[in-house]
Amino acid sequence: EAGVVQSPRYKIIEKKQPVAFWCNPISGHNTLYWYRQNLGQGPELLIRYENEEAVDDSQLPKDRFSAERLKGVDSTLKIQPAELGDSAVYLCASSFDGDSYNEQFFGPGTRLTVL
Amino acid sequence: QQQVKQSPQSLIVQKGGISIINCAYENTAFDYFPWYQQFPGKGPALLIAIRPDVSEKKEGRFTISFNKSAKQFSLHIMDSQPGDSATYFCAASALGTYKYIFGTGTRLKVLA
Repeated sequence: EAGVVQSPRYKIIEKKQPVAFWCNPISGHNTLYWYRQNLGQGPELLIRYENEEAVDDSQLPKDRFSAERLKGVDSTLKIQPAELGDSAVYLCASSFDGDSYNEQFFGPGTRLTVL
Repeated sequence: QQQVKQSPQSLIVQKGGISIINCAYENTAFDYFPWYQQFPGKGPALLIAIRPDVSEKKEGRFTISFNKSAKQFSLHIMDSQPGDSATYFCAASALGTYKYIFGTGTRLKVLA
């Protein structure tokens, strides 16, 4: 079974530039999560999707961050414009809704460096 | 109240020794406590998880001990191996919330 796929793995941009991250969850997993992991910290949830609906985006900085999951499968997370403080690893995870505790499976992440 | 406090921040253990990582929480609604292992350049991977209806869960060399009254849980790695060198995160979640609250992580180094 293929795991969660993310691309790119690394991205270096200048501040004020836009950037986008892509995630393909595990087949059959209807719930998708985007997390941000700062250096030396645990992951923090940015947004959660159930199918194509964003059901928890309370931690997403909506002035510069946006996300979409148009067909309920792949998802894209965008930052525009990026700031120095956005440097972090952006993790995508997915889970199957039928699991009562929704075990989350993580992708390898995209390491973003904003210069 | 949503925080999960994890200690120590880093840990060095000799090969064959026991590694112990502790976590504490405040929110009594939490009822699922997974531990994730993360190697450099990789995403976190589920190692072992426990629900509060048991006080201990063991899978191979990995054991979770859970103290509901103290709101604490810990990961014990027996016979630690150099391949166990990684960062370990505890987390907590409440049924139906889908939300994991992660600890700050413990960087474990096992010396050969």
